[in-house]
Amino acid sequence: QKEVEQDPGPLSVPEGAIVSLNCTYSNSAFQYFMWYRQYSRKGPELLMYTYSSGNKEDGRFTAQVDKSSKYISLFIRDSQPSDSATYLCAMSGRTNFGNEKLTFGTGTRLTIIP
Amino acid sequence: ETGVTQTPRHLVMGMTNKKSLKCEQHLGHNAMYWYKQSAKKPLELMFVYSLEERVENNSVPSRFSPECPNSSHLFLHLHTLQPEDSALYLCASSSTHSGNTIYFGEGSWLTVV
Repeated sequence: QKEVEQDPGPLSVPEGAIVSLNCTYSNSAFQYFMWYRQYSRKGPELLMYTYSSGNKEDGRFTAQVDKSSKYISLFIRDSQPSDSATYLCAMSGRTNFGNEKLTFGTGTRLTIIP
Repeated sequence: ETGVTQTPRHLVMGMTNKKSLKCEQHLGHNAMYWYKQSAKKPLELMFVYSLEERVENNSVPSRFSPECPNSSHLFLHLHTLQPEDSALYLCASSSTHSGNTIYFGEGSWLTVV
């Protein structure tokens, strides 16, 4: 079983729709959860970072963590064509040298149709 | 200016060649990473340097050789690669004071022919 499972898509939705992206994980030691956005032929950029269970909102983006179900989500409201990208979930526990080792999902490729 | 700069952005090399990828971070971080990204696979952590000391080597073949001369620079030396090594190689950096977030460069697209 993979430590982090993420549906690779592709996912296509019309402009203005609400997008829901999800990851499940098996390692209960994971405490920190991140979403990265990666445009085509670019490096991933950090989009959202959460620590505890619950919701965190930043503009049109909401990150949700449910540690009891080992399930995280990223919601995008009022989706725009510029949101078309691959979204990677990432998570970590704590390593012994202080810098965290991230475990990534495979990424979900999202296309917003104008 | 991006915080993490990688060169070259694209590289085509033969299986008998020797080449190097370079990474420089301008964020004052104390840890640097090499990741490999292949199609339809999760990002694979290759090497981690913390305070210029290698702290992790994820069973990477010896044809990949990292070098970290200081906290701002990271190299990946490549020799006698295989076609299956063709991928996007991403450099990243982080700080023990920035939580668990790592910051990526744009990547170096490597094609082995």
